[in-house]
Amino acid sequence: SAVISQKPSRDICQRGTSLTIQCQVDSQVTMMFWYRQQPGQSLTLIATANQGSEATYESGFVIDKFPISRPNLTFSTLTVSNMSPEDSSIYLCSVDEGVGTDTQYFGPGTRLTVL
Amino acid sequence: EDKVVQSPLSLVVHEGDTVTLNCSYEVTNFRSLLWYKQEKKAPTFLFMLTSSGIEKKSGRLSSILDKKELSSILNITATQTGDSAIYLCAVANAGGTSYGKLTFGQGTILTVHP
Repeated sequence: SAVISQKPSRDICQRGTSLTIQCQVDSQVTMMFWYRQQPGQSLTLIATANQGSEATYESGFVIDKFPISRPNLTFSTLTVSNMSPEDSSIYLCSVDEGVGTDTQYFGPGTRLTVL
Repeated sequence: EDKVVQSPLSLVVHEGDTVTLNCSYEVTNFRSLLWYKQEKKAPTFLFMLTSSGIEKKSGRLSSILDKKELSSILNITATQTGDSAIYLCAVANAGGTSYGKLTFGQGTILTVHP
C-alpha cells in the first residue's frame, strides 16, 4: 500500500487565520481524498481531488472555505480558511489503491485546534 | 443520501473475550463495505467485502457481509489490550458522481481491559 505523509501533524491556530495542510504520497495516484473528523465524530468526506481538474466537494463544503490544490499525482494541499473554533478537527488525506478499487489508505492526519 | 449505522457505540470487555461489532447500511448503489481500525489518528484498513467476497478472515479477526440484510459483522476472538480502538465501517457507492466515495459509520469504541 502507498505510504502517505501529512504536514503539519498538529497545529494550534487563532480564529480568522488560515492553515494549509500538505499530503505527500510515495507513488503516483489518481484520486486523493480529504476527510474531516470532528471530536467524537466519524470521518466526513470534504472533497475528492483528481490531478488536472477541479476538486469535487461534498454537500456542506465549499471551495472558498476549503480550497484544494492537486498539482501532480503525488501531492495535494487542503487549506482551512478563515478558521473558527468549529473547524477544530482531525484532517485526513487518503488515496485509493487504484482505479476501480474502493480500499483507501489514510495519512497520519493533522490535528487542528482553533482558539 | 447514503447512511451507515454501527452498533454498539462502545463496548468494554476483558482480555480473552470474543466481541461482535455490527454495521448496517443504506446505499443507493452498493459496491463494497470496508472495515477500518483507528487507534490514534489514521484509520488502518482491515477488510473489504463485496458481492463476490462476503467473508474475510485474518488471524483473530473475521468479517461477514449479509447483502440481504444490508449489514456486516466484525468478529474479534480472544481479544487483547492491543485491540482497543475505534472500529469504523464504511460503504462505497458505485454510482455516478459518488464513485470512490466512502461513507463512514460513527464507529464502535472498543476497550479491552487486562
